[in-house]
Amino acid sequence: SQQGEEDPQALSIQEGENATMNCSYKTSINNLQWYRQNSGRGLVHLILIRSNEREKHSGRLRVTLDTSKKSSSLLITASRAADTASYFCATDAFDYKLSFGAGTTVTVRA
Amino acid sequence: DGGITQSPKYLFRKEGQNVTLSCEQNLNHDAMYWYRQDPGQGLRLIYYSQIVNDFQKGDIAEGYSVSREKKESFPLTVTSAQKNPTAFYLCASSIGDLGVGNYGYTFGSGTRLTVV
Repeated sequence: SQQGEEDPQALSIQEGENATMNCSYKTSINNLQWYRQNSGRGLVHLILIRSNEREKHSGRLRVTLDTSKKSSSLLITASRAADTASYFCATDAFDYKLSFGAGTTVTVRA
Repeated sequence: DGGITQSPKYLFRKEGQNVTLSCEQNLNHDAMYWYRQDPGQGLRLIYYSQIVNDFQKGDIAEGYSVSREKKESFPLTVTSAQKNPTAFYLCASSIGDLGVGNYGYTFGSGTRLTVV
């Protein structure tokens, strides 16, 4: 079953701007992960945040997690054309398999 | 280089035919997974395996079968019982119990299956 839901479904921004997308989930989790998928390709793991963490950074990526609201956000700063992709959140609900949301499609305009 | 190899990249199936999608990894990962992705949608879990010679059904296992005879290999068969098999199929692996908690999944590049 799909636990995560991303919002918005699609996002179009100018190069250099920041992109923010959100993920909501339904049950308690061990961790939440974000993945990127370029068109027609496999997914690439971006960042993992554990349930006892509130914020995590990796390069131009910033992830927050609010377990009381069962939500997470992914911020991409200073976006580039190469950031054009679909972004998925995935939750590990203590059952050793990930449940993925439907994704946010990000288009970065030059 | 370590990674996951899926083959073929494109596959065409006739009505009533079984087809097998290959997934091989050289990452020494214990756990392997098969997901299905339909256009504009997220990933749905078909089958997963935490260890050799053992596997479990995911959310949409009907019409699919798998085997896990070797640690490196986790082939997926799409049977004629799967009425709507046209989709993008993704294989993934992780270290295992610790892997999902710490390292996430490594994905293959996918197989696009089309019914003709």
